[in-house]
Amino acid sequence: AQSVTQPDIHITVSEGASLELRCNYSYGATPYLFWYVQSPGQGLQLLLKYFSGDTLVQGIKGFEAEFKRSQSSFNLRKPSVHWSDAAEYFCAVPMNYGGSQGNLIFGKGTKLSVKP
Amino acid sequence: DTAVSQTPKYLVTQMGNDKSIKCEQNLGHDTMYWYKQDSKKFLKIMFSYNNKELIINETVPNRFSPKSPDKAHLNLHINSLELGDSAVYFCASSQQTSSGQFFGPGTRLTVL
Repeated sequence: AQSVTQPDIHITVSEGASLELRCNYSYGATPYLFWYVQSPGQGLQLLLKYFSGDTLVQGIKGFEAEFKRSQSSFNLRKPSVHWSDAAEYFCAVPMNYGGSQGNLIFGKGTKLSVKP
Repeated sequence: DTAVSQTPKYLVTQMGNDKSIKCEQNLGHDTMYWYKQDSKKFLKIMFSYNNKELIINETVPNRFSPKSPDKAHLNLHINSLELGDSAVYFCASSQQTSSGQFFGPGTRLTVL
């Protein structure tokens, strides 16, 4: 069965430092992969997605992620974190590959705190 | 313009009551979803609705019933509310799997 693992529950970084949030997936084929961000009290916003082609994908707010098939990973990165990046980050894969109903399976999320 | 909207944003009610949450999307998407986010922030799919086809997550109690009057709306009705129903409920929509889903702002339901 498809699954998503985010190994880090909570990460704290200093403002201006680089960031990497880990995501590992279990999937029967090359998956679609998504990263979402949830700011406190807000809904989820799509940061970026991968479904084919270049394995390094660029997203909004200066984020990027790299798909590594050999490691079953899709880690999210940002070279310099801003205080406004403090939020909960979710990695997700569709439940049914190729299906029209792309119900998402989410990881348990990584909470990012940013120190001044 | 709001892409996916939900009402109400907050809902506080007593156990045993029946309540509804409304969702509307103006993106022209064919598929809409309801997710539940628990107190630990874990998100789980409840339903998806695509062109009049309802896909139900088997773990969802039958007290929960989605209703879609048209492609742009997917409402969630909950009967006989229980304490464990307290959560944030998110509506989402998508056109196709590869494009990702667009989420509403959420409805925080508190059952007393």
